[in-house]
Amino acid sequence: EDQVTQSPEALRLQEGESSSLNCSYTVSGLRGLFWYRQDPGKGPEFLFTLYSAGEEKEKERLKATLTKKESFLHITAPKPEDSATYLCAVMAGTALIFGKGTTLSVSS
Amino acid sequence: NAGVTQTPKFQVLKTGQSMTLQCAQDMNHNSMYWYRQDPGMGLRLIYYSASEGTTDKGEVPNGYNVSRLNKREFSLRLESAAPSQTSVYFCASSDRDRGEKLFFGSGTQLSVL
Repeated sequence: EDQVTQSPEALRLQEGESSSLNCSYTVSGLRGLFWYRQDPGKGPEFLFTLYSAGEEKEKERLKATLTKKESFLHITAPKPEDSATYLCAVMAGTALIFGKGTTLSVSS
Repeated sequence: NAGVTQTPKFQVLKTGQSMTLQCAQDMNHNSMYWYRQDPGMGLRLIYYSASEGTTDKGEVPNGYNVSRLNKREFSLRLESAAPSQTSVYFCASSDRDRGEKLFFGSGTQLSVL
């Protein structure tokens, strides 16, 4: 069964305190791993797509990496505006399967 | 550029009432999706439409029907609402020829009493 598990469920950081979010997956034939950001009361917003092990992508303070079994979203020197829920998803068949998300809170 | 537009944003129904959630996209995407999001459950796929004229069931289709009215519009209907259908509903679209990146609407918060 295709499955996506994210950890931790919640993460509290001080401004400038770097950390990583984990997304482990089991899927028959990975066709893409996606990271989204979701702010309260809004729809998810696309961040990255990774397609093969070893691939990395960066955007501002975020860097996503991919291995054969998991992906990490590294957050370097986070700011309060990085506070959000981060969702991981994998392409299985013809639609995305999402994890439950990691809620990140960054305090100043 | 509006992207994906959902209406209404909020709705309260009584058990047994029916309603239709509307979704429209202006990005000329082929594929459209309906997800529901519940606390502790994540986003779950209800139905999707890979192209105009086709629809398929997702993970949680029971109690819902969909209509792909044209390339732009994809509606979700609850024929007889139940409290278990209280959720936040998201519509999304993608251009499968350019990858599976989904663009989401802002959601409909539905409460069934």
